[in-house]
Amino acid sequence: KNEVEQSPQNLTAQEGEFITINCSYSVGISALHWLQQHPGGGIVSLFMLSSGKKKHGRLIATINIQEKHSSLHITASHPRDSAVYICAVRPLTGNQFYFGTGTSLTVIP
Amino acid sequence: DGGITQSPKYLFRKEGQNVTLSCEQNLNHDAMYWYRQDPGQGLRLIYYSQIVNDFQKGDIAEGYSVSREKKESFPLTVTSAQKNPTAFYLCASSIDPGQGRVPQHFGDGTRLSIL
Repeated sequence: KNEVEQSPQNLTAQEGEFITINCSYSVGISALHWLQQHPGGGIVSLFMLSSGKKKHGRLIATINIQEKHSSLHITASHPRDSAVYICAVRPLTGNQFYFGTGTSLTVIP
Repeated sequence: DGGITQSPKYLFRKEGQNVTLSCEQNLNHDAMYWYRQDPGQGLRLIYYSQIVNDFQKGDIAEGYSVSREKKESFPLTVTSAQKNPTAFYLCASSIDPGQGRVPQHFGDGTRLSIL
């Protein structure tokens, strides 16, 4: 049983398209993270959310605590956005994060 | 620039051999973590350390060992007891694991393969 589910698993988009990646989780959380993993393997933290919405450039992340759901949106997608996007949640108890399996995004020029 | 340095980037292990993966951070973070990433699976926690000279097992600690003699360093040893060590290993750190709202910083990873 995976506490974090992401959809879709794979996503291919044309440059300029609006992209949505979804994350659902089953436990009460204190924080949710969206991470970006580049083809070389390194991971960068994009957002940390505990409520509402955050925006950074073309990236927008939202969370609905009651529905246990978060979305990551990319506006005006670009080939350099191609990466694996990972959702991670921190449960209310304990010191661990639980990770989704990731969404592999490919943006075609 | 502050960050996490993992080395080597690629590592090959012979059967029956122990290998050690290095993780160094200059962020002055208290907590450090080791994760394993396999294709089609989320990151899984191997070990974590909240403070120097202390560490706890994660979900998949069998076949691995760690030490935390210095705040900056958290090396991971993959022992011969780990029967399926081929994976991508990521080290991460955070300022204070107790707060629950601090982003984790990640290294660039080490890819371990069996010869």
